[in-house]
Amino acid sequence: AQKITQTQPGMFVQEKEAVTLDCTYDTSDPSYGLFWYKQPSSGEMIFLIYQGSYDQQNATEGRYSLNFQKARKSANLVISASQLGDSAMYFCAMREGLNTGGFKTIFGAGTRLFVKA
Amino acid sequence: GAVVSQHPSRVICKSGTSVKIECRSLDFQATTMFWYRQFPKQSLMLMATSNEGSKATYEQGVEKDKFLINHASLTLSTLTVTSAHPEDSSFYICSARNSGTGHLYGYTFGSGTRLTVV
Repeated sequence: AQKITQTQPGMFVQEKEAVTLDCTYDTSDPSYGLFWYKQPSSGEMIFLIYQGSYDQQNATEGRYSLNFQKARKSANLVISASQLGDSAMYFCAMREGLNTGGFKTIFGAGTRLFVKA
Repeated sequence: GAVVSQHPSRVICKSGTSVKIECRSLDFQATTMFWYRQFPKQSLMLMATSNEGSKATYEQGVEKDKFLINHASLTLSTLTVTSAHPEDSSFYICSARNSGTGHLYGYTFGSGTRLTVV
């Protein structure tokens, strides 16, 4: 069963507008972490933002914010004021078992974001 | 910041030969490193967890005799693709957990290795 689901294989956004990339997850573990990574065409993985399952507030990092809805098991990434350099592949990921020292991270299928000038 | 160096970035090898890929944490110690494989236009698939000083833990479906992992020091893990075949052609990425930071999300990724088997 898919544990991380990204339903948008591709997204287009106009430069300077905001865009939301969807991510839903499935876990029975009460302690987990959610991540978003950016992968430009060069292939490197760039960490963007992290949300812990016990965090009360949604995580924010500059133009990135994570819309964490725990009951719905969703962790959507919001990019505000899109820039051309934001065009890349975006991966949602989850790490379970934080209380027990779990380190394995699983990734969603990714969403390709295209920013139009 | 934490840096993970992965080498080589690209390699082309003949079918039947072996290829070694290195993953080094440059400015921190990494007791745990991870090896991922990424097929074109697809997500990262975790292959194995590399633990310093002990055997790697392989994910289901990954051939441990084909993908040899050695984590001999706190800063180096190697992945050796043995008897490579064209279907092994892929993008391989390592990540290292910075055990010294105490951050829950202390992961850093290498820049990846593009393996092409001809």
